[in-house]
Amino acid sequence: GQQLNQSPQSMFIQEGEDVSMNCTSSSIFNTWLWYKQEPGEGPVLLIALYKAGELTSNGRLTAQFGITRKDSFLNISASIPSDVGIYFCAGQLSTGNQFYFGTGTSLTVIP
Amino acid sequence: EPEVTQTPSHQVTQMGQEVILRCVPISNHLYFYWYRQILGQKVEFLVSFYNNEISEKSEIFDDQFSVERPDGSNFTLKIRSTKLEDSAMYFCASSDLSGRGEQFFGPGTRLTVL
Repeated sequence: GQQLNQSPQSMFIQEGEDVSMNCTSSSIFNTWLWYKQEPGEGPVLLIALYKAGELTSNGRLTAQFGITRKDSFLNISASIPSDVGIYFCAGQLSTGNQFYFGTGTSLTVIP
Repeated sequence: EPEVTQTPSHQVTQMGQEVILRCVPISNHLYFYWYRQILGQKVEFLVSFYNNEISEKSEIFDDQFSVERPDGSNFTLKIRSTKLEDSAMYFCASSDLSGRGEQFFGPGTRLTVL
């Protein structure tokens, strides 16, 4: 299967700080999705990206579809305690409907 | 806002038993998926389903697994003879008629095989 590597693996930040994380692969993807997952719950869709170079925002979250189409980035501005969770990227190839999930970035926000 | 629902939230079963996990996808969606997540690991694709047939499946989805849309609203995953390593969270997801884009996930069923 496809390997999507996310970094950093975990982050511990102070409330109010900005957060940056990324997702890289050796394969070219047509669609990138970013999800947030809290313990014991299903992934919640945050942002969808469909074109190389696309920059999309959802409130304090901004994500970018990398120009090479092999990576994507997620930024969270002015973090708050409820941002705590695991953030997953997911990529979809030009063929097929399945999404390949990244390894996840665990975010802890210290009040 | 429409959402994917799953039942039960937690299923405990003995090794070798059959289990059926149930999902109600978002009502106007036509593509349905099952994913699983072993504790502490990433989400893995199992199968996608469209127009009453499997459109894609992973190597995890072997002969012990089957999916069905028994009526106009439910989508089920059956594991015929559970193994210890089937213990995981199982997520159902659905997407709209394009099938190429946003997939919305349910809250999951935690399957524990003893």
